[in-house]
Amino acid sequence: DSGVTQTPKHLITATGQRVTLRCSPRSGDLSVYWYQQSLDQGLQFLIQYYNGEERAKGNILERFSAQQFPDLHSELNLSSLELGDSALYFCASSGVSGDTGELFFGEGSRLTVL
Amino acid sequence: SQQGEEDPQALSIQEGENATMNCSYKTSINNLQWYRQNSGRGLVHLILIRSNEREKHSGRLRVTLDTSKKSSSLLITASRAADTASYFCAITLTGGGNKLTFGTGTQLKVEL
Repeated sequence: DSGVTQTPKHLITATGQRVTLRCSPRSGDLSVYWYQQSLDQGLQFLIQYYNGEERAKGNILERFSAQQFPDLHSELNLSSLELGDSALYFCASSGVSGDTGELFFGEGSRLTVL
Repeated sequence: SQQGEEDPQALSIQEGENATMNCSYKTSINNLQWYRQNSGRGLVHLILIRSNEREKHSGRLRVTLDTSKKSSSLLITASRAADTASYFCAITLTGGGNKLTFGTGTQLKVEL
């Protein structure tokens, strides 16, 4: 158990809809990272937050947004969903904000868009 | 692409044999990490090697890093069926901030 909790584990929705994925980092970790894993794109970095502030941005679509709250949990919002958004979405946390050390991953949220 | 490229894409060996996976990348890095993923599960960190290190060991794992060739290898000795998983290298780029860029992965199958 990595200590990172993601909900929901599975989500099935229709195109055009909006969903919110939630992540609770390990106790004491200030950094939260979001990754998307799909068969054709592999593991893609989406965004990182550190103590509530956006720290790094990757291949995150404009239809996607994220935030980190004062209690350090994070949410990833996906809107106007398309079939291609079907993927495993991982949250990871670490206690280091600078040179990236070890990341602790949650079990992921599997999103299926029909 | 700046991400790591793993080789081979898939590897099948017998229990007790050694498994070697390679990772190549294209730019300067701060560090390189290896992660393991069991099917459909979260990734688990195995080992981190910094750009000024050449070799690191952890249990049955041995990682080497050659920054001149921009490559790394992960050796799993005396493999077990429980080692069956996908293995990913991940790099932190020099000046790339905090994002960890993952490679394409090697699927390892260890047969009894």
